[in-house]
Amino acid sequence: QLQLVQSGTEVKKPGASVKVSCKASGYAFTSYGISWVRQAPGQGLEWMGWISPYNGDTHYPQKFQGRVTLTTDTSTSTAYMELRSLKSDDTAVYYCARNVGQTVATGGWFDPWGQGTLVTVSS
Amino acid sequence: DIQMTQSPSSLSASVGDRVTITCRASQSISNYLNWYQQKPGKAPKVLIYPASSLQSGVPSRFSGSGSGTDFTLTISSLQPEDFATYYCQQSYSTPWTFGQGTKVEI
Repeated sequence: QLQLVQSGTEVKKPGASVKVSCKASGYAFTSYGISWVRQAPGQGLEWMGWISPYNGDTHYPQKFQGRVTLTTDTSTSTAYMELRSLKSDDTAVYYCARNVGQTVATGGWFDPWGQGTLVTVSS
Repeated sequence: DIQMTQSPSSLSASVGDRVTITCRASQSISNYLNWYQQKPGKAPKVLIYPASSLQSGVPSRFSGSGSGTDFTLTISSLQPEDFATYYCQQSYSTPWTFGQGTKVEI
């Protein structure tokens, strides 16, 4: 069925990098963009960026420019999010989500979401 | 960046009550406004897109309205399973941004 399955919990030290995977199934992977959203403990939702599996185009908000890299592997229908130079306030649950109803100018909505990956940054 | 402001931040209501959550954008976003429900320990789920279309499988007690800068999510008759946090999100322009959330307690 239609789902996104993410990799497991990560514990990292400050300054390290983390790479989270998101495997898609149940739909044509290259037909929809993938976004990444994070949620710090007890906090709200924050969009981290978008990638087109069709052509590799990406878009990152200024806050994450230079520190986040989104990639995809179309042979395995898997999206990846790498976050570098980790700090303690990067501790959060990281979600991938499929962009539906997206146009050239607008982002559509997120459905479905992966189950989330907890990344803890601690010395 | 477009700022999304939800009100209230939390509310307490009884089963059967009509509940309304509002979301205001810092500039016009036409109708590019989505609503999500998140239960503790779970990923968010889309309820309404854009502004007023009900996602397949979502109970008809949920409805959305609005355009421009002001939007509402209404639960016509609150059920125990509706205990959750609700987020609005604009997809009009990047960076796509969320409201801070409204926690609904039964």
